[in-house]
Amino acid sequence: DAGVIQSPRHEVTEMGQEVTLRCKPISGHDYLFWYRQTMMRGLELLIYFNNNVPIDDSGMPEDRFSAKMPNASFSTLKIQPSEPRDSAVYFCASRGSWDIQYFGAGTRLSVL
Amino acid sequence: AQSVTQLGSHVSVSEGALVLLRCNYSSSVPPYLFWYVQYPNQGLQLLLKYTSAATLVKGINGFEAEFKKSETSFHLTKPSAHMSDAAEYFCAVSESNFGNEKLTFGTGTRLTIIP
Repeated sequence: DAGVIQSPRHEVTEMGQEVTLRCKPISGHDYLFWYRQTMMRGLELLIYFNNNVPIDDSGMPEDRFSAKMPNASFSTLKIQPSEPRDSAVYFCASRGSWDIQYFGAGTRLSVL
Repeated sequence: AQSVTQLGSHVSVSEGALVLLRCNYSSSVPPYLFWYVQYPNQGLQLLLKYTSAATLVKGINGFEAEFKKSETSFHLTKPSAHMSDAAEYFCAVSESNFGNEKLTFGTGTRLTIIP
C-alpha cells in the first residue's frame, strides 16, 4: 500500500483565499484524523471520522474550518477564508482495526 | 482527561551513548501508550506501542520503552545512539476504553546526535 497520501505537499496562498487540503487514507482503514502542527501549539487533533462520519470536531478552531469525507477513500479539510495564523503543517492519519495511526507526509500551508 | 508530558524539548547525546527520552502520562483509565518519530519534512512514524501486554516494549530501530504504572511513565531508551536517530520524538496516550480513539500527543523532544 502507498500509505496515507496528502496533497498538495506545499501550499502558499494569500489571506482571504480558500484553501483545500486533500487526503487519501490507507485502503481498508475506517478511521481518519486531521491534525495541525505548529511550533507554538505542537500537534493538535482537529477532527476525526469513523466510517466517513465525523465523530469529534471539537478541535476545529473556528467556523472557517470545515472537513468532509464523502467516501472511504477521500477527505478534505477546507479553510475559508484563510488567515496568516492558519500557517502550519496539516497532517492526515488513518487507522484500521488496530490502534495504530498511520500519518501522511503532511501539507505545509503558508498564508501570506 | 488524558495528557502527556515530555520532559526536555531538546536532548543531545553523543553517538554511541545511551538515549533516554522521558514521558509521563495522565489517564483516568488504563492507557494505551505510543512513541512516534518524525524526521524532517515527514509525517509521524510509529516506533512502538504499549497496550497492556508486556510492560517492556521493543520497537523499531533498536528502541524500547518500559511502562511503569506506579510512576505513570513510559520512557524511551536506546542503548547506543546512531546519527540516523536524529529526529523529533513524540509520546502519545489514548484511553483504552472503547469509543475513545483519540491520541493525545506530548510536545515532542528533539534529539540531536553529536558525532
